[in-house]
Amino acid sequence: AQSVTQPDARVTVSEGASLQLRCKYSYSGTPYLFWYVQYPRQGLQLLLKYYSGDPVVQGVNGFEAEFSKSNSSFHLRKASVHWSDSAVYFCVLGNTGNYKYVFGAGTRLKVIA
Amino acid sequence: AQTIHQWPVAEIKAVGSPLSLGCTIKGKSSPNLYWYWQATGGTLQQLFYSITVGQVESVVQLNLSASRPKDDQFILSTEKLLLSHSGFYLCAWSRDISAETLYFGSGTRLTVL
Repeated sequence: AQSVTQPDARVTVSEGASLQLRCKYSYSGTPYLFWYVQYPRQGLQLLLKYYSGDPVVQGVNGFEAEFSKSNSSFHLRKASVHWSDSAVYFCVLGNTGNYKYVFGAGTRLKVIA
Repeated sequence: AQTIHQWPVAEIKAVGSPLSLGCTIKGKSSPNLYWYWQATGGTLQQLFYSITVGQVESVVQLNLSASRPKDDQFILSTEKLLLSHSGFYLCAWSRDISAETLYFGSGTRLTVL
C-alpha cells in the first residue's frame, strides 16, 4: 500500500527565517515524489519533483527537497521565506505501476512579519 | 505551450440536481487526464483517470461518473447531487506515461445546498 504523511498540519515562520516541511512516504517500489503548492482558491502548482539521481532537487522560487530512501522521507526546505510563500503545500507520491497519485494531507504555511 | 481550462469556475446546485463539469487541454495530444476532489481545507482525492479516448478508470466511488468523449476533453458528471459532493474539483493532465508530473487546472468550486 502507498501512503504519504505530512505530520505538520500548520507551520508558522517569520519572514526571512528558514523553513522545513516534512514528508514521509510508504511504498515498497521506486517512488516518484513531488511537492506542490496551492494558493487560496487556486489549482496546484509544481514546486519540484524527484525521480532518481541526486537526492537533493532544486525547485522554483528557492525551494529544494531532499530524498532519503533510508528514512522514507522527502522534506521540503527553503533558506529564507517570504510572506508570499504563505500557502498550502502538498507532498505527492506517484509510481510507474499505475496512474494513481497519493497526496499527503497538506501543510498550511503562514509567514508572519 | 499546453493549457488546461476548467468550466465552470463555480456552481451552486440543489441536492438531487444533475451536474456536469468540464476540462479541456490544448497543446498536448493524447494526454493522461485526471479528476480530483478536494473537501474544504482538505487533501486531494483522485476520482478518475483516463489514458485514452473513451476509456475511464474509477479510483474512488463517490456517486460520480466521468467520460472522455474527445482526446482533449474530460467530463465529470452525476444525475443526482448529494450534499457530500460539495468541494473543489480539479482536473489535471500529464504526459502519456505513468508517474509523470501532474498539471492542474484552476478548479471548479461546487456548493450543494
